[in-house]
Order: sequence, then C-alpha cells, then structure tokens
Amino acid sequence: IAGITQAPTSQILAAGRRMTLRCTQDMRHNAMYWYRQDLGLGLRLIHYSNTAGTTGKGEVPDGYSVSRANTDDFPLTLASAVPSQTSVYFCASSDSKEAGELFFGEGSRLTVL
Amino acid sequence: GQNIDQPTEMTATEGAIVQINCTYQTSGFNGLFWYQQHAGEAPTFLSYNVLDGLEEKGRFSSFLSRSKGYSYLLLKELQMKDSASYLCAVMDSNYQLIWGAGTKLIIKP
Repeated sequence: IAGITQAPTSQILAAGRRMTLRCTQDMRHNAMYWYRQDLGLGLRLIHYSNTAGTTGKGEVPDGYSVSRANTDDFPLTLASAVPSQTSVYFCASSDSKEAGELFFGEGSRLTVL
Repeated sequence: GQNIDQPTEMTATEGAIVQINCTYQTSGFNGLFWYQQHAGEAPTFLSYNVLDGLEEKGRFSSFLSRSKGYSYLLLKELQMKDSASYLCAVMDSNYQLIWGAGTKLIIKP
C-alpha cells in the first residue's frame, strides 16, 4: 500500500539518549516534513525538505536534525533527548512545496523521562 | 505574527449541520486547507480553497473570504464517524503551512 511509514510507533526514552525516528515514503514526493503535535497546540514544523539533498529549519528546530540523502527517506534525530521533546511526531510528504495536500504517516509517540 | 484561530471544541447532534469557523492572519496567502484528524490517528486532507467562495465535496463544504481572513467548514447530515478534530491551515507567502490548534467536534446521538 502506497504511503508513508514511520518507525517506531511508540518509544520511551531516557533523557540524554540519542534517538532517530524513521520515515519512508513510496509516492516519489519531492517535499517531506517533520511536525510535532502537542495538546492544545497546532502542528508545529520542525524541519522540512523541498527536494532530495536539501533541508530547512521550521518553527521549532532546536534539538533536532534531519537528512535527505534520497527521495524516499527523511529521518529525524534527537541528539540528546530532553523531557520537553515528549510529543507525537508526524512525518508528512507532498508532491511539491507548493502543494498543501500533505500525506501523513501514522505518527510516532515519544516519551522522554 | 501569524495566527490561526478556531474554536477549541464544538458539540452537535447526529443528522444535524455544523459550521466550524477559522480566522487567520498570515504573511501572504497561498491557499487554505482543512484536515480531519480522528483521535490517535494522522490528519487527512479534506478540502482546499484559494479563491473566494464555496467548495462543495459531498457532505462537506468549505468557504473562504480572503478579504475577511475567514473560512468555515460546513458538515451536513452529521454521522457519528464525523467525531474528530478539524484542523484549519493556511499556506503563507513562503509556501509554509500555518496550522490552527484544531476544533474537536463531538457528535451526540
């Protein structure tokens, strides 16, 4: 089934540990995004990539890094997790940066203790 | 700053009609989007407006007034499965989506 796959779906992590959330899409979309969603707040953009080989910072990039080595994969890394990074993380993709129809992965629920 | 406002929660009755409002202030405008998100699931795209007026798609319609910075999502013949959060998002001049916090819609039998 075409779409976006995220892993893991859920993770509990000790503060200070490094963690990578994986995201893979098979729709050959150019643009990919990482959002976090917290209760009472809208989706907040962490990092984005308009095309393979390029990345950009979103609204809340601190403490996170991304890479886009190819079209399909867009991993998000927390170098040293802190409790404020407890959230639900969504990876999304779109045909282009101008296309507002985003396709979302199922989300990764991360708890940092 | 950029801002999207929508009600936090609304309640409606099965079979009825409900209107969810969204007002926005953004740096530029390249379209307004509505998404549906069921609890514990990912958002899914519902509608897109870039010109003023009403866009109808089955039981769902979305309206836009760019001069007023205003949109609404109209849901007709409500069904229990319509219980979800509805997210309003505006694409700004840099083609970045600015998201509202979402409106939780509760449908009662």
